[in-house]
Formats: sequence, structure tokens, C-alpha cells
Amino acid sequence: DVKVTQSSRYLVKRTGEKVFLECVQDMDHENMFWYRQDPGLGLRLIYFSYDVKMKEKGDIPEGYSVSREKKERFSLILESASTNQTSMYLCASSKPEYSNQPQHFGDGTRLSIL
Amino acid sequence: GENVEQHPSTLSVQEGDSAVIKCTYSDSASNYFPWYKQELGKRPQLIIDIRSNVGEKKDQRIAVTLNKTAKHFSLHITETQPEDSAVYFCAASITGDAGNMLTFGGGTRLMVKP
Repeated sequence: DVKVTQSSRYLVKRTGEKVFLECVQDMDHENMFWYRQDPGLGLRLIYFSYDVKMKEKGDIPEGYSVSREKKERFSLILESASTNQTSMYLCASSKPEYSNQPQHFGDGTRLSIL
Repeated sequence: GENVEQHPSTLSVQEGDSAVIKCTYSDSASNYFPWYKQELGKRPQLIIDIRSNVGEKKDQRIAVTLNKTAKHFSLHITETQPEDSAVYFCAASITGDAGNMLTFGGGTRLMVKP
């Protein structure tokens, strides 16, 4: 069974802090994704990566960056946290599209910026 | 880019009744349409998906229909049970992209009353 693990379920940080959210998957998936989930807005893609050291912007990349140094790990970085980044963050992974495999999600990190 | 709209945002049904959730998409090139179910405090999980070469797909009590001409697709749940209560998300993507990026609808909160 696919396992996508996010390092924290709940996180509280202060405005201006640099925040790291970590995600690890154990199924050798090429693709990894970071979403934020807000009520009524569904899941919005922040960044994704289809290979080590590769990254692509999603729909809402402003204020975020990512790092993928190893295939199994995809990190989301809030360079200078702001209150409007308070949200639920979800990581997902998948095989490449030609394998017809769905995205598998982690449990999420509920991040509060004070 | 792709835009996915989902209706209704909340849906309350009596146990045993049917529930229908509808989504429309904007990009006629989209060809993969998954549905995810997210129970309270848990990760989104794929429940069914459909590709554009198919008009309907069933899996026990759930079914999805796709109308490519009208660019809309729907989730049908028959004989609803209290454990069907959750938030449901539709999504659309264009396979052929290395990243298999999904665009999600805003979600529907389904409440099944015993």
C-alpha cells in the first residue's frame, strides 16, 4: 500500500518565520505534489515535481518554494510566513501519467501562522 | 488553464436516497476525471475515475458519467449510507503531461441523515 507521510499534523509558526513542510513517499513515485486546501476552494496546486531536482509551478506558487533532492522526499518552504498562508497543506505522489496511476495523498499538515 | 466548478457545495440526503454531484470543466483537452472522498480529519482518497474514451463507469453503489460535448461529469451515489458522509472532490487533468496535474473543484460536503 502506498504510504505518503507528512512530517507534522499540526504546526504553529510566527509571521516572518521560514517554515519547512516535509513529505516522504515510499513507493518510488516519480511525481510529487503540494496542495493547499481551504474551505470552498478545494485543493489548489502550489508546486509539483516530476523528477529529482525538477520543479514546476502550480496555480498558486507565490510565497512558496520547493526542494526535491531525493526521489522520495519533497519539501515545501514558506520563505517568510504570512497569516494568509494559514491553511491545510496536502502532499501527494503518483507514478507518471502513462502508468494510469492516481495521486495518493498524505494526512495533511494544518499550519497556523500567528 | 483548466477551471473546474463543482455543485452543490453542500448536499443533505436521507439514508437510502441517491446523491448526485456535478462538475463542469473548461479545457476540452482534459481527458482524465477522478473523484476523491475526504472523511473528516482524513486524507482524500480516490473512489472512482473515468477517462474521456468512456461515457460511464460503475463501481457498486457509485457511478460516474461524462459528457464531453457539454464538458461536464457527475458522481452518482445510490442507496446512501451514513458512512458516505464526507467531502467529495472532482478533478480534471490532461494526460500526456509528465506531471499529470489535477485541477480540483471546490468540493461538496455530503451529509447522509440516518
